[in-house]
Amino acid sequence: GESVGLHLPTLSVQEGDNSIINCAYSNSASDYFIWYKQESGKGPQFIIDIRSNMDKRQGQRVTVLLNKTVKHLSLQIAATQPGDSAVYFCAENWRAAGNKLTFGGGTRVLVKP
Amino acid sequence: DSGVTQTPKHLITATGQRVTLRCSPRSGDLSVYWYQQSLDQGLQFLIHYYNGEERAKGNILERFSAQQFPDLHSELNLSSLELGDSALYFCASSPRPEGLNEQYFGPGTRLTVT
Repeated sequence: GESVGLHLPTLSVQEGDNSIINCAYSNSASDYFIWYKQESGKGPQFIIDIRSNMDKRQGQRVTVLLNKTVKHLSLQIAATQPGDSAVYFCAENWRAAGNKLTFGGGTRVLVKP
Repeated sequence: DSGVTQTPKHLITATGQRVTLRCSPRSGDLSVYWYQQSLDQGLQFLIHYYNGEERAKGNILERFSAQQFPDLHSELNLSSLELGDSALYFCASSPRPEGLNEQYFGPGTRLTVT
């Protein structure tokens, strides 16, 4: 079956720098995408979402970019902080298949002081 | 805190046994989803219930079953447990059955099968 994948398993970032986490998805019919953050010992936490009719959406210190042409999703974190250290997952939703999310493999972000 | 609660937090049991995991969704949410997170498979969708009815199934084994009760809490039953069933089990809730809306995850239940 189709699935969402991540290219980089670990990303080391200096505190204060910007982080970019990438995600490739294979289902061109997916119409909704979410980024989740998972800290050690906790469940995934919603960060930001984007619908397929958009190509950019901004939140607090985070921006999600969607490029449907190449089926690519990215999460940008501005001024990365130690509290941003976590595993980040992208997930896709294909409305016709119901509201079930397909998750990527995750990227670990390590923020260096 | 997402507002989704799961019990127990940890569960250790032997192969062949049966366990029940419990989830209470956020107040007002009618949808409950179950996910399995293992080291080699990542986060995998298992099943979705909306207001007591099953809405979608994912990679859920026949040894596993779930239900959602009138008070909207849900239980995931795992039977004939195998070593490979050791994983984190998450439930998530959302307000609507379908459509474009985020899911809020509970803290998970860590199941260890020995």
